[in-house]
Amino acid sequence: DAMVIQNPRYQVTQFGKPVTLSCSQTLNHNVMYWYQQKSSQAPKLLFHYYDKDFNNEADTPDNFQSRRPNTSFCFLDIRSPGLGDAAMYLCATSRAGFDTQYFGPGTRLTVL
Amino acid sequence: DQQVKQNSPSLSVQEGRISILNCDYTNSMFDYFLWYKKYPAEGPTFLISISSIKDKNEDGRFTVFLNKSAKHLSLHIVPSQPGDSAVYFCAARFNNAGNMLTFGGGTRLMVKP
Repeated sequence: DAMVIQNPRYQVTQFGKPVTLSCSQTLNHNVMYWYQQKSSQAPKLLFHYYDKDFNNEADTPDNFQSRRPNTSFCFLDIRSPGLGDAAMYLCATSRAGFDTQYFGPGTRLTVL
Repeated sequence: DQQVKQNSPSLSVQEGRISILNCDYTNSMFDYFLWYKKYPAEGPTFLISISSIKDKNEDGRFTVFLNKSAKHLSLHIVPSQPGDSAVYFCAARFNNAGNMLTFGGGTRLMVKP
């Protein structure tokens, strides 16, 4: 089945210790997105890739970086996690020009 | 500044009755609206959408209504089933903004048997 996969599902890191979350897709979609969702809040777009073109949201902190080495994979790097970065991180994909975004199950990040 | 709002954090409905989930938006430039459903430990899944040129879209038990003058949309589920229990997110897209979506905070629907 075509899908969006996120690893790991749960990640625990220490304050200030870099962490990488990964997302892969078998849908062959052009666009990949990273969202941050804090408890009982709306998912907030951090950035997205249109093919290899990276697009950062204006209010995404510099602490968050992303890499897309190929069509199938996208990574979210948090360089120095703070307590406020504890959240669910959702990866999504879509075909260019279409609005339906397909989400992965998310990675729940805990910062100790 | 929250441009898409779901003012009811939760809703409880009896099985077989109608569930009505509401969503308000502030920006008149939004031209496409979507509803996503999210079960625990899963990502949101697309449910139904509506373009701003329509006022109603129906898909089986799910109907979305759009009132542009009021900047309000609603999702009706009839009849509600226990399997519908989930968090429902409303999302909106700007004109010419590609696939960028702005989400509401979600409403947790509980359908009681």
